[in-house]
Amino acid sequence: EVQLVQSGAEVMKPGESLKISCKGSGYSFINFWIGWVRQMPGKGLEWMGVIYPDDSYTRYSPSFQGQVTISVDKSINTAYLQWRSLRASDTAVYYCARRSTSGADYWGQGTLVTVSS
Amino acid sequence: EIVLTQSPATLSLSPGERATLSCRASQSVTSYLAWYQQKPGQAPRLLIYDASIRATDIPARFSGSGSGTDLTLTISSLEPEDFAVYYCQLEETFGQGTKLEIK
Repeated sequence: EVQLVQSGAEVMKPGESLKISCKGSGYSFINFWIGWVRQMPGKGLEWMGVIYPDDSYTRYSPSFQGQVTISVDKSINTAYLQWRSLRASDTAVYYCARRSTSGADYWGQGTLVTVSS
Repeated sequence: EIVLTQSPATLSLSPGERATLSCRASQSVTSYLAWYQQKPGQAPRLLIYDASIRATDIPARFSGSGSGTDLTLTISSLEPEDFAVYYCQLEETFGQGTKLEIK
């Protein structure tokens, strides 16, 4: 069974750094793109970027270039989304999803990140 | 960068009725457009890919059609569990969503 399991909810302060994770199982992790999607409270879905685990090739959406870092550790089938300095506007649910030519067919359960002083 | 515009923003219908959701692209798209359903507190679920192919375990009442710049998701006869938000997606762009609510 294909699964993407994300790390738990985080409550952070502005200016802090954070790295959240997404662990894949039940399929060949290195052969499918993993994407990260932001959903701000009450709002729609936004692609942040994608990474190809086999070679770590990464592509960011323009709005998120330079704001976050996407990485992967293929030895443990895990992708990451990282911030160096959080802002209140980063408060959102973040999803990882497996991307294929057939769309984003499997999704993690989401990680709620709350940034508040 | 391609822009996807969904309409209407909100659609109010009753169970048993037919729902037609639109996704208009700013430029002609290939067949890689997908549709997702999202219920409150849940991750999105893939419904349709390549514009018209139902994903695994998606009921036959869901269908996708269209080409060029105009794509459509149709739900032939609404079930109570279909009331949710629907998004179209192409590459790394989502539409803004259509909320399907009970009338």
